[in-house]
Amino acid sequence: GAVVSQHPSWVICKSGTSVKIECRSLDFQATTMFWYRQFPKQSLMLMATSNEGSKATYEQGVEKDKFLINHASLTLSTLTVTSAHPEDSSFYICSAYQSGESPNEQFFGPGTRLTVL
Amino acid sequence: QKEVEQDPGPLSVPEGAIVSLNCTYSNSAFQYFMWYRQYSRKGPELLMYTYSSGNKEDGRFTAQVDKSSKYISLFIRDSQPSDSATYLCAMSETGGGNKLTFGTGTQLKVEL
Repeated sequence: GAVVSQHPSWVICKSGTSVKIECRSLDFQATTMFWYRQFPKQSLMLMATSNEGSKATYEQGVEKDKFLINHASLTLSTLTVTSAHPEDSSFYICSAYQSGESPNEQFFGPGTRLTVL
Repeated sequence: QKEVEQDPGPLSVPEGAIVSLNCTYSNSAFQYFMWYRQYSRKGPELLMYTYSSGNKEDGRFTAQVDKSSKYISLFIRDSQPSDSATYLCAMSETGGGNKLTFGTGTQLKVEL
């Protein structure tokens, strides 16, 4: 199957700082990338959908000015958590999708664990 | 009410047992149904992908979808310790490449 990587896998930051998380599709071009957040013992919640070269579409309740998403190329999307606070501590997972390819599935990255002190 | 409800578990079974995992949903527009396996601190990996109602089998895994009851199941035969993970159901209105709505996941432990 296709491979999606995330970097970093784990990050600790101080409250008020910004953190950037990268999501890369390593062996295919992703027309669409998705960003999810997963709190302990809870389901993955979609935060936003991004298409290469377009502005991201955010889910209801997700602050677009706080979670900046850039999908500058077909293999790279970034999520920047601005002015992070302890309540932003979570597991952030990206997925990538290539339109028109079979199977019709999203390939998930390994996730990034963010801890805000 | 959540769009997708999943038995919370945790579920502990002996090696070799048949495991049944289930989800119910409320959105009748869901057409695509998926099961993912997620190991601790890892991203989900796709196990089964089905469209509309019916059964699908792949090795030891069988997925069932009953749209009339808004109920889906995943069966694991001859369970192995390596099957120990969290299993998430996911659904979509328009296909796997679009918005997925996940269940909370069922933690499974297969013991020797």
